[in-house]
Amino acid sequence: QKEVEQDPGPLSVPEGAIVSLNCTYSNSAFQYFMWYRQYSRKGPELLMYTYSSGNKEDGRFTAQVDKSSKYISLFIRDSQPSDSATYLCAMAFSNFGNEKLTFGTGTRLTIIP
Amino acid sequence: DADVTQTPRNRITKTGKRIMLECSQTKGHDRMYWYRQDPGLGLRLIYYSFDVKDINKGEISDGYSVSRQAQAKFSLSLESAIPNQTALYFCATSDLGLAGVPHEQFFGPGTRLTVL
Repeated sequence: QKEVEQDPGPLSVPEGAIVSLNCTYSNSAFQYFMWYRQYSRKGPELLMYTYSSGNKEDGRFTAQVDKSSKYISLFIRDSQPSDSATYLCAMAFSNFGNEKLTFGTGTRLTIIP
Repeated sequence: DADVTQTPRNRITKTGKRIMLECSQTKGHDRMYWYRQDPGLGLRLIYYSFDVKDINKGEISDGYSVSRQAQAKFSLSLESAIPNQTALYFCATSDLGLAGVPHEQFFGPGTRLTVL
């Protein structure tokens, strides 16, 4: 079993829809949770970063962490064609010298105009 | 100018050849990483370096070696390339930040490597 599971998609939704992307994980020691966005032929870039459980909002994006269920989500409101990309979740422990990221496989998202 | 650069961007090589992928950064970060990305497997860590004198194996280091020539340069070598090393390779950097708190990683544009 992988430490981090993510549905690879592909996921296609019409412009303006709300998008929900999810990851589950098995290691309860993860405390830091991130979402990276990767456009075609580019490197990933950080989109959202949260610590422990709770919600974090940034514009049209909301990151949600439920540590009790070992489940994280990224919501995109009013989706735009420019949101078309692969979204990778990533997680890390809180140990000095061991702050490596464990990535999900990524979900490929297409927003249809 | 890009903060993290990788050369070459594309490479086709043959089985058994030695190949080096290079990464340079202008962000002034101490920490550098090499990942490979495969469909269905996501990003997997090959090696990482927290400073010039510190090199650590990641989850899939077999068949790879690295060299940290300077704070700004981190190279990945495949001593004898094999077809299942065909993948997209990314270099990343991060700042130190607070002890125990993972910091944002900044990725290069990637190198697409094909081993025939």
